[in-house]
Amino acid sequence: DGGITQSPKYLFRKEGQNVTLSCEQNLNHDAMYWYRQDPGQGLRLIYYSQIVNDFQKGDIAEGYSVSREKKESFPLTVTSAQKNPTAFYLCASTGEPNQPQHFGDGTRLSIL
Amino acid sequence: GNSVTQMEGPVTLSEEAFLTINCTYTATGYPSLFWYVQYPGEGLQLLLKATKADDKGSNKGFEATYRKETTSFHLEKGSVQVSDSAVYFCALKTSYDKVIFGPGTSLSVIP
Repeated sequence: DGGITQSPKYLFRKEGQNVTLSCEQNLNHDAMYWYRQDPGQGLRLIYYSQIVNDFQKGDIAEGYSVSREKKESFPLTVTSAQKNPTAFYLCASTGEPNQPQHFGDGTRLSIL
Repeated sequence: GNSVTQMEGPVTLSEEAFLTINCTYTATGYPSLFWYVQYPGEGLQLLLKATKADDKGSNKGFEATYRKETTSFHLEKGSVQVSDSAVYFCALKTSYDKVIFGPGTSLSVIP
């Protein structure tokens, strides 16, 4: 079955450490997205990419970085510059304009 | 700019009660509208969608009608179950790049 796979499901970061969250899709979708969700709150867009080797900042890109070297993959790095990284991170993709986004099951990041 | 407003939660209902979660939007152009559901600890799942005015999306007993004249897309269900307890997000999309999500409405259904 086609879908979006996020890994790991849980991740712990030490102070001053960069960590990378994986997002892989086999839906042949062009566009991919990263969102951050804090407890009891909605989704905030971190980065998005419409095509390979291109990506744009979302509303809260500071302290994060991404790459899009392959159509299927859109990893998110949470850098040490992100001072409050504890959150639930969701990856999504979409294939056509005005079509809904498909979501992965999320990665929960915590600070040690 | 584009925006989505949802009714504040949390909403608590008894089983078999009628559910309405209000959603209104502001958008340029002709957006597609969506309702997503999020169960605890999981990602978002598409619940239903409507791509043009007067379309009615429906799924699992939930319905929502795209009302352009009132810029609304209210979610309804005639008889909720305990298993419907989740967070519901209204969203709009006008182009290829971004989806605008509402803040989410938490629903708890008690037996």
